[in-house]
Amino acid sequence: DQQVKQNSPSLSVQEGRISILNCDYTNSMFDYFLWYKKYPAEGPTFLISISSIKDKNEDGRFTVFLNKSAKHLSLHIVPSQPGDSAVYFCAAGDTGANSKLTFGKGITLSVRP
Amino acid sequence: EPEVTQTPSHQVTQMGQEVILRCVPISNHLYFYWYRQILGQKVEFLVSFYNNEISEKSEIFDDQFSVERPDGSNFTLKIRSTKLEDSAMYFCASSDHRGGYTFGSGTRLTVV
Repeated sequence: DQQVKQNSPSLSVQEGRISILNCDYTNSMFDYFLWYKKYPAEGPTFLISISSIKDKNEDGRFTVFLNKSAKHLSLHIVPSQPGDSAVYFCAAGDTGANSKLTFGKGITLSVRP
Repeated sequence: EPEVTQTPSHQVTQMGQEVILRCVPISNHLYFYWYRQILGQKVEFLVSFYNNEISEKSEIFDDQFSVERPDGSNFTLKIRSTKLEDSAMYFCASSDHRGGYTFGSGTRLTVV
């Protein structure tokens, strides 16, 4: 039961260009969404989040867009840098404390110099 | 910056043995979690823990698993009678009342 789906396993972009990572969800109870970045042999590192009352949240080079009607969110990285190369996980939960997170399978981003 | 610490970073155990994975959450966090990631698969929720008891657990978290907060700083995951399919990265996480999660760097468990 894939409640959070990241349908593209990988993405390759040129340094300086925009990276767009997509995520879809099926559970209407989710109202809080997060993006995590993960390097090999490390734990997931929080990048950016958005609650369902917003449709956009921006933090430096990272912007997350949420389309509730389509149950779709995306992470934009601009400009992309080689150091951004990692696995990116979309996760969803509810805004209550002690909420478990449901993760997507992740997407491997490669930024070419 | 506060971090969640997990030990050991890599644990190799024989099938059928018991293992204890250790975590030191961020000191002022009240909610604790274990997740795991089998190689090539997604990160999966195992269990959440608050106020010295399990708040929620997944179908994966059966009687083979248990969690404990033996003192004011450690949070442990015990896996009894390990199986080959328990081989995975196990991540501990903690959060504050606002839900901000911090993950540890994980313990790679290899069951042989």
